[in-house]
Amino acid sequence: ILNVEQSPQSLHVQEGDSTNFTCSFPSSNFYALHWYRWETAKSPEALFVMTLNGDEKKKGRISATLNTKEGYSYLYIKGSQPEDSATYLCAFNNFNKFYFGSGTKLNVKP
Amino acid sequence: GAGVSQSPRYKVAKRGQDVALRCDPISGHVSLFWYQQALGQGPEFLTYFQNEAQLDKSGLPSDRFFAERPEGSVSTLKIQRTQQEDSAVYLCASSLVGEGLPEAFFGQGTRLTVV
Repeated sequence: ILNVEQSPQSLHVQEGDSTNFTCSFPSSNFYALHWYRWETAKSPEALFVMTLNGDEKKKGRISATLNTKEGYSYLYIKGSQPEDSATYLCAFNNFNKFYFGSGTKLNVKP
Repeated sequence: GAGVSQSPRYKVAKRGQDVALRCDPISGHVSLFWYQQALGQGPEFLTYFQNEAQLDKSGLPSDRFFAERPEGSVSTLKIQRTQQEDSAVYLCASSLVGEGLPEAFFGQGTRLTVV
């Protein structure tokens, strides 16, 4: 069984706060690391796909970094907004399978 | 449609009943995955198809679970003699090419409740 861990499990922040969470994964047999944003009753939406050690990706106020040697990725949200409230999932892609973490549930209060 | 479509969105089954969950992947997507997400957990891998071939079914929790994709497009996940522990959201995802290429697109899931 391949272990992908996310922390914290949940996070409550005020509008305007910046926040970050962690995904840790095995450093061997790495192919790609994915971040998804999952709102209740909707499909998980792909945020980033990261393949190279040292990758940094940015989409608006959200960015992510990747360290494949030590097996972790950080997701950052700058100036959180209520619409950022969702569960953020990371998935380790080991060639033909995706192994998911249990997610970080973010709640941004107005 | 443009995305992955799953049906039904919600299913309530009596314990012991058989259920069938359908996934329509994005047209042309070779790979198709099924995941099970229990309450409070991340999605857990069930099975993987490349076209009509089921290449990996190691995540299916018991022989009551069966998946097929006979023509390499639509897939059905069947659960026989449902049990309460089968209650979960079942997610389907598809991706454009075969092994190893990132970017899976997900359906909205089917929420199964076994009573």
